[in-house]
Amino acid sequence: AQTVTQSQPEMSVQEAETVTLSCTYDTSESDYYLFWYKQPPSRQMILVIRQEAYKQQNATENRFSVNFQKAAKSFSLKISDSQLGDAAMYFCAYRGLYNNAGNMLTFGGGTRLMVKP
Amino acid sequence: SQTIHQWPATLVQPVGSPLSLECTVEGTSNPNLYWYRQAAGRGLQLLFYSVGIGQISSEVPQNLSASRPQDRQFILSSKKLLLSDSGFYLCAVTGVFGYGYTFGSGTRLTVV
Repeated sequence: AQTVTQSQPEMSVQEAETVTLSCTYDTSESDYYLFWYKQPPSRQMILVIRQEAYKQQNATENRFSVNFQKAAKSFSLKISDSQLGDAAMYFCAYRGLYNNAGNMLTFGGGTRLMVKP
Repeated sequence: SQTIHQWPATLVQPVGSPLSLECTVEGTSNPNLYWYRQAAGRGLQLLFYSVGIGQISSEVPQNLSASRPQDRQFILSSKKLLLSDSGFYLCAVTGVFGYGYTFGSGTRLTVV
């Protein structure tokens, strides 16, 4: 079974600085999708960024980018120019293409990001 | 595009009372639906998922049950709530292929 690990329960960053959140996963599949979700204090889950495993190029969405290392099974999220609104819980998630009943996602335990003004 | 509605937003219920949380989806047919629970400051625990009407898979043995009476309706229930059922409940639907989930806005349940 796939597992997703976020080894940093909490992180903090100074406003306008850059922070990287770590995520590793375990899978025997070669094709899959990876996601980062943001959960602000409102607790609404928001998709931040997604990565297709067959694509070499790292995904970027404005100030958010990933460092996808397929061989190392690592999928870190970099937030540049951190803003107070980035303070949230961040979840890394995996979805395989095969043997995936219900197309479900496997989530990491989350990283709480605090942004200091 | 698909949208997901979840209600109520907040619920305070006494121990031993019944529970019914509802989730409905628009803009898609035959969706895969999920119920998750999240304790304060913690991760997501998958409770149930459904790939079709009347088809329910349970991930965790507990005091809860789920039903899917219609294609785009997913209900989480309990006959008698326990204090340990308190938490934040999220409904989710599989999005466009490769795009993960779309989540409902959640229900904050407090059992007193």
